Amino acid sequence: NAGVTQTPKFQVLKTGQSMTLQCAQDMNHEYMSWYRQDPGMGLRLIHYSVGAGITDQGEVPNGYNVSRSTTEDFPLRLLSAAPSQTSVYFCASSYLLGDEQFFGPGTRLTVL
Amino acid sequence: GEDVEQSLFLSVREGDSSVINCTYTDSSSTYLYWYKQEPGAGLQLLTYIFSNMDMKQDQRLTVLLNKKDKHLSLRIADTQTGDSAIYFCAGSAGGTSYGKLTFGQGTILTVHP
Repeated sequence: NAGVTQTPKFQVLKTGQSMTLQCAQDMNHEYMSWYRQDPGMGLRLIHYSVGAGITDQGEVPNGYNVSRSTTEDFPLRLLSAAPSQTSVYFCASSYLLGDEQFFGPGTRLTVL
Repeated sequence: GEDVEQSLFLSVREGDSSVINCTYTDSSSTYLYWYKQEPGAGLQLLTYIFSNMDMKQDQRLTVLLNKKDKHLSLRIADTQTGDSAIYFCAGSAGGTSYGKLTFGQGTILTVHP
């Protein structure tokens, strides 16, 4: 199993550009989530999904969209990037909500 | 919602014990977790404790939970240089927040030879 994979590893955007961060898992996990990690603030939940076709907002959802058309994939879309979205983004998955979460290696995003 | 606080830095000598502390606010937290993050990597679950336990031991790791004071600690015995990393505590609250993790800021553990 590859576990949780994220692409790209690094990305630089200009303010106003859009992009999609990819996340995939091959463990047949129902629960997937996106976090952002900022210095001194730990990880904060952006969006999550409890299964294909079901998504919900976390603590800091503004400026981000998600969809879950398959069990395996959970992309995170930045509609119009802002410097405040410069961060490291982690995707995580677990078999069910409340189970141990497995984290991907992260995507480091810089918005100029 | 849940708030989780940690001290930011800890420095120890190789072979000593490390104790990383965490406080949380939501008394309905069902599970409390400790994650380790090595440089440039994602988070790895180290251990967790269920809210009805006071202590859990797993090899070199001991987790202590004081529910009255809402205080959680992680003790690493015989700390090694490979233990140098950022350690996060996280809580999973009850009710509509079940399963959604709230993380502390992370404690940077530095182990000196």
